[in-house]
Amino acid sequence: DIQMTQSPSSLSASVGDRVTITCRASQGISKYLAWFQQKPGKAPKSLIYAASSLQSGVPSKFSGSGSGTDFTLTISSLQPEDFATYYCQQYYSYPLTFGGGTKVEIK
Amino acid sequence: EVQLLESGGGLVQPGGSLRLSCAASGFTFSSYAMNWVRQAPGKGLEWVSTIGGSDGATFYADPVKGRFTISRDNSKNTLFLQMDSLRAEDTAVYYCAKSELNDYWGQGALVTVSS
Repeated sequence: DIQMTQSPSSLSASVGDRVTITCRASQGISKYLAWFQQKPGKAPKSLIYAASSLQSGVPSKFSGSGSGTDFTLTISSLQPEDFATYYCQQYYSYPLTFGGGTKVEIK
Repeated sequence: EVQLLESGGGLVQPGGSLRLSCAASGFTFSSYAMNWVRQAPGKGLEWVSTIGGSDGATFYADPVKGRFTISRDNSKNTLFLQMDSLRAEDTAVYYCAKSELNDYWGQGALVTVSS
């Protein structure tokens, strides 16, 4: 199975900050990587697929990069609505696996 | 507009069974793989099962293999998850999601396994 490791597990940031979350795969997954945002009590929302492609309707402040084993999600200027938990997920092979999540909190 | 609506969740005793449904609309259902993903209280996301669109190939996570069965009715745009021999550790919100990308998610159905 491919293990997905996210870091950090949590972070505190201020409105306007640039935030970067990393995701590392235990083996190469090319660009078969997606990112999700989840707010408390809500279903996850797709942000990015194929490591760097923005889902329709997702603001351009979100961006993704990477290939192989190392990936990043960047939020260029954090806004109040961006405080949430973020997950990465590989879809290179079964079983599909998620990272443990990164909780972004208000400083 | 893509919509996914789960139903069938509830409270069940250990060893019992439950069947979840996911009604899909807004896309050509038969063309896409569909997934079940669960989230235990206070925990992260865990993939449960996938069924292919046209070929109906199925895949399961090890913790549910042999106990859960995923199926679909393309004529009714509906996805199912039959859950048997339920355990306390199966307690979670169960989401259905579209495609390998999980690009759209339902609102979730809470399954509680407890005596």
